[in-house]
Amino acid sequence: AQTVTQSQPEMSVQEAETVTLSCTYDTSESDYYLFWYKQPPSRQMILVIRQEAYKQQNATENRFSVNFQKAAKSFSLKISDSQLGDAAMYFCAYRINNAGGTSYGKLTFGQGTILTVHP
Amino acid sequence: ETGVTQTPRHLVMGMTNKKSLKCEQHLGHNAMYWYKQSAKKPLELMFVYNFKEQTENNSVPSRFSPECPNSSHLFLHLHTLQPEDSALYLCASSQDSRKINEQFFGPGTRLTVL
Repeated sequence: AQTVTQSQPEMSVQEAETVTLSCTYDTSESDYYLFWYKQPPSRQMILVIRQEAYKQQNATENRFSVNFQKAAKSFSLKISDSQLGDAAMYFCAYRINNAGGTSYGKLTFGQGTILTVHP
Repeated sequence: ETGVTQTPRHLVMGMTNKKSLKCEQHLGHNAMYWYKQSAKKPLELMFVYNFKEQTENNSVPSRFSPECPNSSHLFLHLHTLQPEDSALYLCASSQDSRKINEQFFGPGTRLTVL
């Protein structure tokens, strides 16, 4: 069974600085996707960034980037130039890529990391 | 707003009550999901519907009964719940659950079982 582990229950960062959230996962599959979701205090979860396992290049979305280490099964999220609006709970998630098969959209989530941004 | 709405936002019920949670998506998606978010636990997938057919039941107790009358609406009927069922229940939708499409989440219903 696939598992996703976020070992940092809480993290904090000063505004304008950089923070890295860690995530490790366990799978025997070789073709999968990894995601970072953000859940602000309003509770509406939104997708931040995603990475396809067969792509070696790390995904980047503006101030958000990932460090994907497939052999180590590690998928960390780096937030640069942190802003107050980045404060939220961040979830790492995994999904097998079984396009056309019977993988019915099952995302496996980590426990989450609460990020606090200090002004 | 992400186009996925949930009502009610908060619900308090006794263990003998029957209540329903409602989810509606305005995104033209064909897949809808129920998740349970408990404190200090990972988000747990409960049910998946794709084109109105239930495609996943993640070993959810029968006191939770989903219903998907059409691709835009999803219900979760609750009956004789336990206090440990208290949690945030999130609904999500995507274009097609068989494909790697982004899932859009609703704001959730905070359920408290007394």
